[in-house]
Amino acid sequence: GAGVSQSPSNKVTEKGKDVELRCDPISGHTALYWYRQSLGQGLEFLIYFQGNSAPDKSGLPSDRFSAERTGGSVSTLTIQRTQQEDSAVYLCASSLEEGLETQYFGPGTRLLVL
Amino acid sequence: GQNIDQPTEMTATEGAIVQINCTYQTSGFNGLFWYQQHAGEAPTFLSYNVLDGLEEKGRFSSFLSRSKGYSYLLLKELQMKDSASYLCAVSAANQAGTALIFGKGTTLSVSS
Repeated sequence: GAGVSQSPSNKVTEKGKDVELRCDPISGHTALYWYRQSLGQGLEFLIYFQGNSAPDKSGLPSDRFSAERTGGSVSTLTIQRTQQEDSAVYLCASSLEEGLETQYFGPGTRLLVL
Repeated sequence: GQNIDQPTEMTATEGAIVQINCTYQTSGFNGLFWYQQHAGEAPTFLSYNVLDGLEEKGRFSSFLSRSKGYSYLLLKELQMKDSASYLCAVSAANQAGTALIFGKGTTLSVSS
């Protein structure tokens, strides 16, 4: 497909477990973003990758959250020792390059921590 | 601090015109985006404003006043399929790269 894809679409886990969320950006897009959308809240920026530069992690809520981007393409967001407050929709977006380029969003991963 | 405000909910009828307002206070400003998000789906891009004035795109128009920290999204000839959440987002100069600061969204319900 031509759009941003994310997997899994839904994830239910138990408190204290680790989870990995995957994002495949649009081919050729060098910028990749992770956001979190909690019920009744706006999208919250988590982390941003641009090309081969070091990612900006300023939005990560705690050190339990980390992300990698391999080969400038696929990205994985990892949440360690999940807590119930981590329950949210995690959205990935990509854009052609850094700058005021339109960001295209994936369908999101709905995470529920029991 | 960074703050973006928009109404939580709005209702309208088919064929009508609705205006969704957004006010923002950010440290720096690179541009303002409007996204549409249907329930359970990803946000999709609607419009982008960086200069003051009105940008028209079919049934949708977006207006920006940088001096007032204000934007609105205007939807004309409303259709049932326009029922969705409308997200106002600002690209701020000191935000990480070009990550966007989002408002909480305005849920628009269109009835027949």
